[in-house]
Amino acid sequence: EIVLTQSPGTLSLSPGERATLSCRASQSVSNSWLAWYQQRPGQAPRLLFYGASSRASGIPDRFSGSGSGTDFTLTISRLEPEDFAVYYCQQYDSSPSTFGQGTKVEIK
Amino acid sequence: EAQLLESGGGLVQPGGSLRLSCAASEFAFSVYAMTWVRQAPGKGLEWVSTIGHSAAETYFADSVKGRFTISRDNSKNTLYLQMNSLRTDDTAVYYCAKVLWIRPPNGWMDVWGKGTAVTVSS
Repeated sequence: EIVLTQSPGTLSLSPGERATLSCRASQSVSNSWLAWYQQRPGQAPRLLFYGASSRASGIPDRFSGSGSGTDFTLTISRLEPEDFAVYYCQQYDSSPSTFGQGTKVEIK
Repeated sequence: EAQLLESGGGLVQPGGSLRLSCAASEFAFSVYAMTWVRQAPGKGLEWVSTIGHSAAETYFADSVKGRFTISRDNSKNTLYLQMNSLRTDDTAVYYCAKVLWIRPPNGWMDVWGKGTAVTVSS
């Protein structure tokens, strides 16, 4: 089973600042088969990226995804109030598909 | 806009059973794989089960294998999760999601329901 470790656990930032979230896999994720999701409080997860860097429909371009192999990054260039949420990565290369434990982006 | 709506959650005693439903609308339900993902209180996301578009293929996490059954009725655009022999660690919000398969049963989930809460407690 591929273990995904997200860091940091919590990121305290102000609106307008840049957020950089990391997702590290315990073994290589082939073809960059990794997705990112956003979960706002009390809401369902929302797909942000698939294939590490392919933006899902309706996702603003201040969000970007990158990486390959074992190291992946989600970047939010300028935080908007609605971006304060928990973010999860998911690998779908190997069974079972697994999620990271999440990174909470909170208002500083 | 594609939508999913779960129902059937509630309070059940350990050892009991519950059947969750997920009604789909505004997309071609019968051509997509579907999945259940759960989230225990204050915890992260855990894949539970996936079913192929024709129900010929079903997959389960080790934690629920032998206790949960997944099924679908494409004529009713509805997905189901039958949960038997429930344990306290099955307590979670259960989400259904539409899956875009890369290598069955894995893929990314592009449409999610709002979830239904299951509490297993005596």
